[in-house]
This record gives sequence, structure tokens and C-alpha cells, in this order.
Amino acid sequence: DVKVTQSSRYLVKRTGEKVFLECVQDMDHENMFWYRQDPGLGLRLIYFSYDVKMKEKGDIPEGYSVSREKKERFSLILESASTNQTSMYLCASSETGTGFYEQYFGPGTRLTVT
Amino acid sequence: AQSVTQPDIHITVSEGASLELRCNYSYGATPYLFWYVQSPGQGLQLLLKYFSGDTLVQGIKGFEAEFKRSQSSFNLRKPSVHWSDAAEYFCAVASGGYQKVTFGTGTKLQVIP
Repeated sequence: DVKVTQSSRYLVKRTGEKVFLECVQDMDHENMFWYRQDPGLGLRLIYFSYDVKMKEKGDIPEGYSVSREKKERFSLILESASTNQTSMYLCASSETGTGFYEQYFGPGTRLTVT
Repeated sequence: AQSVTQPDIHITVSEGASLELRCNYSYGATPYLFWYVQSPGQGLQLLLKYFSGDTLVQGIKGFEAEFKRSQSSFNLRKPSVHWSDAAEYFCAVASGGYQKVTFGTGTKLQVIP
């Protein structure tokens, strides 16, 4: 079974802190994604990566950055956390190739910024 | 750009009743369509997907969905709902390049005894 793990299920941080959210997948997938999920807004793509050291902005990249130094690991960084970044953060991974492949999701990290 | 509309925010059904969750998409080419389910406190799990071929696709947990190109719809159905189906359901469409997927805003299903 594909497994996507996220470093924390719940996280509480203070405004202005630097926050790291870690995601690891064990299926050698090329693509990895970070989403945030908010009530009534569904999932919105923050960043994705299609290869090591490669990244692309999603729909809402402002206030976030990412790092992918190894194929299995994709980190989301909040340089200076703000209260409007309080949200559920979901990581996903997928294969690449002709056609489209399902995304496998981690359990999510619920981040609260106070 | 592609988009997905799930017009129902909340739906309540009785256990044993049939279920239909609506999804409309906007995409110029042949779409790749998905339904995911999210149980409380969990990540998303794929229920089923449509890429091509038979327009009625079967998924896990007894769910099915029908692709109707003329209506730009991909509605999810289940003939008899179980209490364990209470969850949030997301419809999604895949775009071109890099495996990007656009999700709808979700429909929360409540199942009453």
C-alpha cells in the first residue's frame, strides 16, 4: 500500500514563527503536492513538485515556500506564520506518465497560528 | 481553466436510502474525473475515477458514477447508504501537465438512522 505520512497531526504556532511541515511518501512517486483545506473552499493547491529540486506554484503560493531535496520528501515552509494560515494542510503524491494517476493523500496536519 | 462545481454543501439521507451527489465540471478537452472521500480527521481516499471508455464506472465501497459529456456531469451514486458512509465527498478534474488536479468544494454527507 502507498503510504504518505506527515510529520504532525496537530501543530500550534505563534504569529511570526517559521513553520516546517514535512511529508514523506514510500512509493517512489515523482509528483508531490501540498494543499490547504478550508471549510467551503475545498482543497486548494499551494505548490507541487514533479522532480527533486523542481517546484511549481499552485493556485495560492503566497506566504509559502517548498523544498524537495530527496524524492521521497516534500516540505512546506511558512516563513513567517500568520493567523490566516490557520488551516488543514494535506500532502499528496502521484506517479507520472501518459494519462493521469490518482493522488495518494497523507492524513493532514491541522495548523493553528495564534 | 478547468473548474468543478459541487452544488450541494450538505446532504442528509436516511440509512438504507439511495444517494446521488452532483458534480459538474468545466474543461475543454476530454476530462479525467475523480471522486474522493474524506472521513472525519482523515486524508482523502480515492473512490473511483473516469479516464475513458464505459461512462458508468464502479468504485470501492459500492459507489458508482456516471460520466455524461452532454451535461458536463459526473454524479456519484450509491443504491443503499450505510452509516459509515457519513463523510465529505470531493469531485475533481485533472488538468493537462504535471498531474495537477482541481477539486470541488465538497459535499458533506450526514446519514441518519
